[in-house]
Amino acid sequence: QSVLTQPPSASGTPGQRVTISCSGSSSNIGSNPVNWYQQLPGTAPKLLIYTNNQRPSGVPDRFSGSKSGTSASLAISGLQSEDEADYYCAAWADSLNALVFGGGTKLTVL
Amino acid sequence: QVQLQESGPGLVKPSETLSLTCTVSGASISSYYWSWIRQPPGKGLEWIGYISYSGSTNYNPSLKSRVTISIDTSKNQFSLKLSSVTAADTAVYYCAKMTTLTTLDYWGQGTLVTVSS
Repeated sequence: QSVLTQPPSASGTPGQRVTISCSGSSSNIGSNPVNWYQQLPGTAPKLLIYTNNQRPSGVPDRFSGSKSGTSASLAISGLQSEDEADYYCAAWADSLNALVFGGGTKLTVL
Repeated sequence: QVQLQESGPGLVKPSETLSLTCTVSGASISSYYWSWIRQPPGKGLEWIGYISYSGSTNYNPSLKSRVTISIDTSKNQFSLKLSSVTAADTAVYYCAKMTTLTTLDYWGQGTLVTVSS
């Protein structure tokens, strides 16, 4: 069981907007920034969003992140077939003195 | 262009020690922190630990008693040792560069390590 809670699956049709939630506690998301990683099938994870809402160079602005209290969200607008992947949130957990990941959300583009 | 490449045995016997090395190119290992992460087949990501450019380490409490991460600045490499492995340690092991404690901005392609007799 992961310290950060994500829905196991999400889906949408091309062009739609989808959001993926990540729930934590005061000792992780509540007091530290959240990052999001995208893992395309058969590949290594890739940094998608850092420090809650910042996009690395090369990440389309269709991807956005937000954080409020002990929860964070990843939004994908203008959904495309190539967005079909697993998405993971991550944050530092002060109580564990460790980096923790959410369990991952499998996004399906219908 | 920063690149990381994991290397090591793909098969380890139960109770033995898993040893992997990550070779870094395009960045000086002396300038950043470096992490190991693993992913059991069909499951999520688990952070194993990190090492700083100066050699200080921090490990996942769940693995701390069995993990050692070391750094070789002369070879621009860092390494992972996981002792007393069991089938539960079967996973794809990734190495990654860190810019903050949670920001892993470059990852290796990963290497599958199977624990089996």
